Amino acid sequence: EAGVVQSPRYKIIEKKQPVAFWCNPISGHNTLYWYLQNLGQGPELLIRYENEEAVDDSQLPKDRFSAERLKGVDSTLKIQPAELGDSAVYLCASSLDSSNQPQHFGDGTRLSIL
Amino acid sequence: GESVGLHLPTLSVQEGDNSIINCAYSNSASDYFIWYKQESGKGPQFIIDIRSNMDKRQGQRVTVLLNKTVKHLSLQIAATQPGDSAVYFCAEFPGSGGSNYKLTFGKGTLLTVNP
Repeated sequence: EAGVVQSPRYKIIEKKQPVAFWCNPISGHNTLYWYLQNLGQGPELLIRYENEEAVDDSQLPKDRFSAERLKGVDSTLKIQPAELGDSAVYLCASSLDSSNQPQHFGDGTRLSIL
Repeated sequence: GESVGLHLPTLSVQEGDNSIINCAYSNSASDYFIWYKQESGKGPQFIIDIRSNMDKRQGQRVTVLLNKTVKHLSLQIAATQPGDSAVYFCAEFPGSGGSNYKLTFGKGTLLTVNP
């Protein structure tokens, strides 16, 4: 079974530029999550999707961050414009549903803002 | 112990020894717990989970113990190998809905296995 696939693995951009990350979850997983992970810390949830619906985006900075999961499978996370403090690893995870089920993570996109 | 900023709790063991990684969780309403292993440059990898109606669960070379009275979780790794070197995170999931209905990660522990 293929795992969660994310691209790109690395992204370096200048501040104020836009950036987008892509995630393909495990086949059959209805719930998709975007997390942010700073160095030395655990992942923190940004947004959770149930199929194509964003059911929890309370931690997403909506002035510059946006996400979509149009067909309930792949998802993109966008930052526009990026700020220096956005440098982090952006992780995508998926699970069968949002009940007590293991979440499986991709290897993330490491974003560096110059 | 507690860590601040980039300073993770660390555990250093010899190859072949048993390792015990501890985690104190915060929410007494949490009813599902997961241990993850994260190697450098990779995402967290699921190791084992446990539900609150259990106090022990075993996997291959790993055992998770749950003490709900003191809100403590531990991960035991038997016959630790160099490939076990990584940061280990515990994560808790509340049983109720609402804004807290999300997986919350604890501070990681860096395990180093010396050959």
